[in-house]
Amino acid sequence: QSVLTQPPSVSGAPGQRVTISCTGSSSNIGAGFDVNWYQQLPGKAPKLLIYANINRPSGVPDRFSASKSGTSASLAISGLQAEDEADYYCQSYDSSLSVLYVFGTATKVTVL
Amino acid sequence: QVQLVESGGGVVQPGKSLRLSCAASGFTFSTYTMYWVRQAPGTGLEWVALISYDGSNKYYADSVKGRFTISRDNSKNTLYLQMNSLRGEDTAVYYCARRGGGNYNDAFDIWGQGTLVTVSS
Repeated sequence: QSVLTQPPSVSGAPGQRVTISCTGSSSNIGAGFDVNWYQQLPGKAPKLLIYANINRPSGVPDRFSASKSGTSASLAISGLQAEDEADYYCQSYDSSLSVLYVFGTATKVTVL
Repeated sequence: QVQLVESGGGVVQPGKSLRLSCAASGFTFSTYTMYWVRQAPGTGLEWVALISYDGSNKYYADSVKGRFTISRDNSKNTLYLQMNSLRGEDTAVYYCARRGGGNYNDAFDIWGQGTLVTVSS
């Protein structure tokens, strides 16, 4: 029931920069609700990576950055490292559907 | 340290019930809104339910409304999810998560390790 659309996969060589898009609508991102990003390493629980659109929790490297504009948001990973290989999810509040909170469709980041 | 530990998962037949627990430690549980989120095998994350810090407000995804009940016991620092009339599509890893609040707003800032629920005959 994801209403936030992400690319299924992105890849890059170590040291490169990759970006992940998250496209929503006027009932979620476009309505001004915050976008949060999560990293899920293989076999692990998700971990908060970015909150309130652009902020990193303590301990998250500054290689991770995010932005939001209109009905979309994006996550960028600079200086890609092997340990960044994981699934990434965007998430927001939605005012119109049968769920309060919606997650993106997940993006698998592969480090070549 | 701040921690959430889920328990209670297992294999259950369709139509039966199961109760999940989530034990919180390292923070003042009674002041935080809590969530349940699930992840079916090989798929993405799905928000399931929310309960306010004092248990007075509860919200559910339509997919579980009327079958699942979220509750909490602040004296035991524990969150629960009572799951009734289980279906095959409820098969998933169930995570409890904390609403960050404050500057974190609605972000799910702390997650448990998850507990697997398999609905199968």
